[in-house]
Amino acid sequence: DQQVKQNSPSLSVQEGRISILNCDYTNSMFDYFLWYKKYPAEGPTFLISISSIKDKNEDGRFTVFLNKSAKHLSLHIVPSQPGDSAVYFCAASEIGGTSYGKLTFGQGTILTVHP
Amino acid sequence: KAGVTQTPRYLIKTRGQQVTLSCSPISGHRSVSWYQQTPGQGLQFLFEYFSETQRNKGNFPGRFSGRQFSNSRSEMNVSTLELGDSALYLCASSETSASYEQYFGPGTRLTVT
Repeated sequence: DQQVKQNSPSLSVQEGRISILNCDYTNSMFDYFLWYKKYPAEGPTFLISISSIKDKNEDGRFTVFLNKSAKHLSLHIVPSQPGDSAVYFCAASEIGGTSYGKLTFGQGTILTVHP
Repeated sequence: KAGVTQTPRYLIKTRGQQVTLSCSPISGHRSVSWYQQTPGQGLQFLFEYFSETQRNKGNFPGRFSGRQFSNSRSEMNVSTLELGDSALYLCASSETSASYEQYFGPGTRLTVT
């Protein structure tokens, strides 16, 4: 039972354009969502997060949008740069003490930004 | 601040052996979580430690265990290794067990032959 899904295994974008990465979730107990970027042979790097009480959070070129009713979130990267090419993971955390320290991850989307 | 460090970075073991992996969290971080990453299952939560106590455990067999020391450093142990244990093992730290943002180390690549 995959509670966090990234349905697009890959995305290809031209440098300078917008990259939109999508993520869907099924567990209504998730209350905090995060995006991570991962390069080969490195651990995931935290990018940006959003609480379920918000619908948008912005940090520089990165914006995350949350649509709770649709159980959907997206990461927008504007403008995209070749250095953004990596695997992007969506992750979610659940309310409650039984979920301490646990992030549930999607399968990842490979983003390729072409010069 | 220095990031999360993991040792060793690469490890090759034989079926049936056991292995211990080490993780040093970011200074001041007291919560350490461990994850297993495989091509088929993706990133899966193993367990979390805070103040030397295991607070949460994922759906893995008892062969997977861990511990945390008073300086927040953590180790995980896998006994009776199986071929399917070949994976990237990632450690992540956060300031408290209620902090959602986790910061990951580079991982230990374990190959079981």
